[in-house]
Amino acid sequence: KNEVEQSPQNLTAQEGEFITINCSYSVGISALHWLQQHPGGGIVSLFMLSSGKKKHGRLIATINIQEKHSSLHITASHPRDSAVYICAVRSGTSYGKLTFGQGTILTVHP
Amino acid sequence: GAGVSQSPRYKVAKRGRDVALRCDSISGHVTLYWYRQTLGQGSEVLTYSQSDAQRDKSGRPSGRFSAERPERSVSTLKIQRTEQGDSAVYLCASSIGDRGRGETQYFGPGTRLLVL
Repeated sequence: KNEVEQSPQNLTAQEGEFITINCSYSVGISALHWLQQHPGGGIVSLFMLSSGKKKHGRLIATINIQEKHSSLHITASHPRDSAVYICAVRSGTSYGKLTFGQGTILTVHP
Repeated sequence: GAGVSQSPRYKVAKRGRDVALRCDSISGHVTLYWYRQTLGQGSEVLTYSQSDAQRDKSGRPSGRFSAERPERSVSTLKIQRTEQGDSAVYLCASSIGDRGRGETQYFGPGTRLLVL
């Protein structure tokens, strides 16, 4: 079993829909990252969380440390949101190394 | 530049040959990381270094992979005797400090390696 599990692995939505991507992890962490990777592009860091909730524009990320679970929400989705979304955790005992989830491929149709 | 850069962006290598991938991190960043990202297997850490020392070679397969840091903001990932299974995207990232806790890592665009 992977230390970081994301679901779903593939997600297709219509423009305007509310989207949720989930991430569960099995190790103790000091921080969790949500990353975005466009086809052929580099990786952009969307959020870094250690507790609670963060919001940036149409993106919202939440984390529940007790349940070892995080969610990334996209409100009013748009085709330009189409990308791979990756959850990555930083273990509490590492030197900042990130363990990545498998990624969720999101496709938003107009 | 303002961000992390990697070169080359694409590399095709013949199986058995050695390859070297370069990463230029953000000036002043202390810690450099190398990750390998493969389709269907997600991503894994290969190695990381702080300042001049390579701290961790826990990535697989460590024997053929090594990272050198000829300059503070430059790292070279060397893969010896490449195998087809080494085909992947290699990502470099850097972070400001050496505490390794709660820090954001800044990623390069990656080098896509194809081993034939």
